Order: sequence, then C-alpha cells, then structure tokens
Amino acid sequence: GAGVSQTPSNKVTEKGKYVELRCDPISGHTALYWYRQSLGQGPEFLIYFQGTGAADDSGLPNDRFFAVRPEGSVSTLKIQRTERGDSAVYLCASSSPPGGGGTDTQYFGPGTRLTVL
Amino acid sequence: DQQVKQNSPSLSVQEGRISILNCDYTNSMFDYFLWYKKYPAEGPTFLISISSIKDKNEDGRFTVFLNKSAKHLSLHIVPSQPGDSAVYFCAATEGYGGSQGNLIFGKGTKLSVKP
Repeated sequence: GAGVSQTPSNKVTEKGKYVELRCDPISGHTALYWYRQSLGQGPEFLIYFQGTGAADDSGLPNDRFFAVRPEGSVSTLKIQRTERGDSAVYLCASSSPPGGGGTDTQYFGPGTRLTVL
Repeated sequence: DQQVKQNSPSLSVQEGRISILNCDYTNSMFDYFLWYKKYPAEGPTFLISISSIKDKNEDGRFTVFLNKSAKHLSLHIVPSQPGDSAVYFCAATEGYGGSQGNLIFGKGTKLSVKP
C-alpha cells in the first residue's frame, strides 16, 4: 500500500514569508507526527496528533509554528514569518497504535526540504 | 543535553564482515528503542526495534542488543552488504505498549560497506 507522502518535496521561500507543508499519512493510521531534521542532526520531534487533536505539541519551537489535522487524516504544518534558522527537512510520520492491531511503529515520509533565503 | 548519543559519526566495513553500530542513552525512563536507516533524499525507514523487557531481538541479518544497566544498545549487521550503506539512526521513547509519543533520535552513524 501507499506510504506516507509529503508535499512539496522542496520549498524555497524568503525570510518573513508564510509556508504550509502537507502530510498524507498511511491510510488508517490514527497517529501522526512531525519532526524537523537539521543538517548533521537526527530528527527532532515537533508535534504529535492522535486523531484530530494535538496530543503533544511540546516540540514546537515557538508560536510561529502551528499544525492542524482537521479530519484526522491529512495534516498541515504552518510556519509564519519564516526565519533562516527554519531551514531544515521537515519529516512526517504516522503509526497505528497497538490497540487497533497495529505495531505503533512510526513510518516516515520522504520529507519536505525547506530553504529560507 | 542529548538523551540519545551515537558517538561514531561514520563507520566503514568490508562487504561480508560484521557492522556494529552503537548507541548510548541517558534517560532511564526510555523503554522502547528503534533503529532507522536513511538513504539520501528519503525519509528514515524502520529497521528493527526492542523493548526494555528484552536484551536481544533478531530479524534476518539484523540484531539489536540492549544492555539496560549500561544504558547502551547496539545494532549488528551480519553479513554486511553494499546496499546497507546508509545513515543509521538510533531512537528511543517511553510508553511502550501504549502510544509511543515522540521519538528521541541520535545524530546518526553513516555506514559505508565497501565491496
């Protein structure tokens, strides 16, 4: 079946602009995660959704970052007033909790490479 | 302060030999550990995992060992193949058995398997 998909694959924007990054999880996966990976680092957690609600948003670096998942499937990560330090690969992952017959393993998409000039 | 550490940024191994990738953690609340493999321009791919109630988990050529007292885990790949060349990330989380929540990743080790 189809894996996690993310669009766009690359996004170049100017400092101060607003961007939206989209994630389509694996069908039926109720949990969705956003991570950010900077050069030379491992992925860093941003936010986690269980269904439509954000179960844990402790990784969002500041209030310029916001994410939604209005229907419990597709999620959008929104970054306002982008800064050069926001440049990174933004990864999305989804999982199916063990109670629903899943393994809770997080499966990642290919990421969106964001470059802020 | 890094909770998951991969102290070797790179590792080079001859094809057919064993690759051993190491990972240390500091948070004693971690109870589930995973290894992911990442090729350039792709997202991390799940490889193998282990819960803290075990000290070994094996899947084909891949074996993960967990030493809780030392807060150390390792991934063994035997025999190594050129297609195994990738960046390997160690990750840890709390709450195994329920929702995993966020994964804490190390910085990764770049494995090169030479023919």
